[in-house]
Amino acid sequence: NAGVTQTPKFQVLKTGQSMTLQCAQDMNHNSMYWYRQDPGMGLRLIYYSASEGTTDKGEVPNGYNVSRLNKREFSLRLESAAPSQTSVYFCASSDFPRRHTGELFFGEGSRLTVL
Amino acid sequence: GQSLEQPSEVTAVEGAIVQINCTYQTSGFYGLSWYQQHDGGAPTFLSYNGLDGLEETGRFSSFLSRSDSYGYLLLQELQMKDSASYFCAAGSARQLTFGSGTQLTVLP
Repeated sequence: NAGVTQTPKFQVLKTGQSMTLQCAQDMNHNSMYWYRQDPGMGLRLIYYSASEGTTDKGEVPNGYNVSRLNKREFSLRLESAAPSQTSVYFCASSDFPRRHTGELFFGEGSRLTVL
Repeated sequence: GQSLEQPSEVTAVEGAIVQINCTYQTSGFYGLSWYQQHDGGAPTFLSYNGLDGLEETGRFSSFLSRSDSYGYLLLQELQMKDSASYFCAAGSARQLTFGSGTQLTVLP
């Protein structure tokens, strides 16, 4: 099983450019998440989706938009990239609310640099 | 809101036991999770405490005390491959807030 797959793995943007990070999971999970991780810091939640068609803001949503295209896919869009958005982005999924185990399954990360 | 505090660094020798503490202040607390992350890798789930007490999974154990808003991860028989960052995370699965992480270095 692939688990959680993110693309692209690496991306360099210029300030003001836009891009979309793609994420797909094959575990039939209801809940999906986008986190960012900056050097020496923990993961901060950008957006999450509890089910297809629903999305909610996390701790740091400004400058981002998301789409829960279907149960498998959850994309993150930067409309006008800024240097402060240079980070590693992780997509994750969980079986909440069907099972509540505190476990998130993470993708391998997308390393974004904004110049 | 949620905030979690954990030490930034811990160093131990191979074969030793190390404990990584985590204190939290959260609203709507559901349970405490622990994740491991190697450099350049993705976080991977280690354990979850939904109830007070000790959970054991092989060499790793995790403890929770809700009354003290405190938990810890205990790693026994340390191996070089245990060198990584360890994160506690609290909340519900809908909104998991992560601590800043503890960098564990295992020395030979």
